Amino acid sequence: GQQVMQIPQYQHVQEGEDFTTYCNSSTTLSNIQWYKQRPGGHPVFLIQLVKSGEVKKQKRLTFQFGEAKKNSSLHITATQTTDVGTYFCADRTSYDKVIFGPGTSLSVIP
Amino acid sequence: DSGVTQTPKHLITATGQRVTLRCSPRSGDLSVYWYQQSLDQGLQFLIQYYNGEERAKGNILERFSAQQFPDLHSELNLSSLELGDSALYFCASSRGTGELFFGEGSRLTVL
Repeated sequence: GQQVMQIPQYQHVQEGEDFTTYCNSSTTLSNIQWYKQRPGGHPVFLIQLVKSGEVKKQKRLTFQFGEAKKNSSLHITATQTTDVGTYFCADRTSYDKVIFGPGTSLSVIP
Repeated sequence: DSGVTQTPKHLITATGQRVTLRCSPRSGDLSVYWYQQSLDQGLQFLIQYYNGEERAKGNILERFSAQQFPDLHSELNLSSLELGDSALYFCASSRGTGELFFGEGSRLTVL
């Protein structure tokens, strides 16, 4: 069935270092979404990628959708303490069933 | 504020009991999704409704059931509760295939 994998599970970085999380699917995705969940909070939508090879930027965040539409990545440049949280990718291929990856938990050491 | 309201925010109950979690979606959103998040775990998809009809089911236990009412609010019923059911239960709503808007969640503790 639908399954989305993410690596790494945890990442600890020094403030100012870069961070990347990877999302992989065994099947081709039509849409992929990224969410951020702060500690004690609820998931908040970051972005949606639709096109093969698409790259989108939001300030220090860069999102990429693979050419085969089976993988995606989120890269944060020069992390800040405000970046702390868990980042989830979500398979939005189906309208009805939105499957989330297990998430990457980011800790930023000041 | 996502516009999605969940009640109650916290709930403590005993094993074997039954609870109902309520969700009011954003105005105009016809789809409601329920997720379970156990401690330090990901978001497990439970069930989805569209305009009152069940459209998709995930790993939802038989002891759990849900419905969406004509006013579009949804309820998740959890019965014969076990210790392992302790978790954060999120409701989300959406319009089309766009972003999901999550509520703040209902934290269930089963003692």
